[in-house]
Amino acid sequence: AQSVAQPEDQVNVAEGNPLTVKCTYSVSGNPYLFWYVQYPNRGLQFLLKYITGDNLVKGSYGFEAEFNKSQTSFHLKKPSALVSDSALYFCAVRDMNSGYSTLTFGKGTMLLVSP
Amino acid sequence: NAGVTQTPKFRVLKTGQSMTLLCAQDMNHEYMYWYRQDPGMGLRLIHYSVGEGTTAKGEVPDGYNVSRLKKQNFLLGLESAAPSQTSVYFCASSYSGQVSPYNEQFFGPGTRLTVL
Repeated sequence: AQSVAQPEDQVNVAEGNPLTVKCTYSVSGNPYLFWYVQYPNRGLQFLLKYITGDNLVKGSYGFEAEFNKSQTSFHLKKPSALVSDSALYFCAVRDMNSGYSTLTFGKGTMLLVSP
Repeated sequence: NAGVTQTPKFRVLKTGQSMTLLCAQDMNHEYMYWYRQDPGMGLRLIHYSVGEGTTAKGEVPDGYNVSRLKKQNFLLGLESAAPSQTSVYFCASSYSGQVSPYNEQFFGPGTRLTVL
């Protein structure tokens, strides 16, 4: 079975400050990890993914995520937050050993960036 | 290139009524998915399809049926709607079930369904 946890329902940060949105996962094999963003009344948009290789993955809109196998984490980061980054963020995982390509999503973390 | 589109955008049903949600994608993707999004629950997979003519159950399939008669379309049906099915429904598609540079999922804009 595969699962993902986003321990924070909401993250508040001031514009210009660094932000981190946390994600931890559980899989029986090696993980594929994804971050998606959802703006109000919109569908989810892909931000970045980790398949293999470098532990630091760079994605859209200046976001990056760090894969840490020992801590089973895949935290989303950005060096300098923008008000326009305010949205709902989802982490998702797929077990590399699973026979089909379904993702398990976390419950989401609301990011609020204040001016 | 429209990506993933969903019809309708909004719908209000009475308990016991039936309806079909249509999802269409123009990216020639093999895999298609139906999710529901509820506050505090994240996205939960209802059904998915790995190709034309195939469907499979996800995490929360009860009360829903699906069909994939054409590769580009994936229909979600509610035969007898219940208030517990009030939710936002998202369709998604992906290039392949196997690992590839293209296997992230692309989402439609959603359908907001209210069952009274």
